[in-house]
Amino acid sequence: AQTVTQSQPEMSVQEAETVTLSCTYDTSESDYYLFWYKQPPSRQMILVIRQEAYKQQNATENRFSVNFQKAAKSFSLKISDSQLGDAAMYFCAAINPGLGTDKLIFGTGTRLQVFP
Amino acid sequence: EPEVTQTPSHQVTQMGQEVILRCVPISNHLYFYWYRQILGQKVEFLVSFYNNEISEKSEIFDDQFSVERPDGSNFTLKIRSTKLEDSAMYFCASRLDSSSGNTIYFGEGSWLTVV
Repeated sequence: AQTVTQSQPEMSVQEAETVTLSCTYDTSESDYYLFWYKQPPSRQMILVIRQEAYKQQNATENRFSVNFQKAAKSFSLKISDSQLGDAAMYFCAAINPGLGTDKLIFGTGTRLQVFP
Repeated sequence: EPEVTQTPSHQVTQMGQEVILRCVPISNHLYFYWYRQILGQKVEFLVSFYNNEISEKSEIFDDQFSVERPDGSNFTLKIRSTKLEDSAMYFCASRLDSSSGNTIYFGEGSWLTVV
């Protein structure tokens, strides 16, 4: 079975500061992909960043980067220079083709508040 | 940038009525999905569809649910006889293939309220 755990229901950060959202996952396979999705109040699900498990280099997308620790099965999201528009629910998710499935498994989410 | 589009954005229906939620996936994508999110809960997988057939479905996707790709562009989710507990945001999603890092792109969701 595959599970994704987000242990922080809520986080807050001051505008222009940096915040890190935690995620751990559990899979026995080596072929998997990890994602962070952002869900603003509009409830749209927006892809923030993805990481292929076979890549050692941490993914980066502008102000968003990940700390992928494969041995620890940890996949945290770092948001630098936080902006008011970053306030949203953030979901960590995994897909595990090695198990013969292509469904995304989501964590329970972390609500990020950004204060001016 | 290509996107997944969904209609309607919001639908209110009476319990027991049939509902069809429509989606237009990204045009060259090959894999299609429906997910749902009950208010305040996490996103749950319903069904995946490839090569004109269901490739995987969850326990939630019982006989009340069906999917169809009637014309090569639309992808629909039908709920035959809605229940109160079907009230949720329903997301359509699509994926090209493994060459894109298995990235799944979501639509803006259809919010279904069953009264």
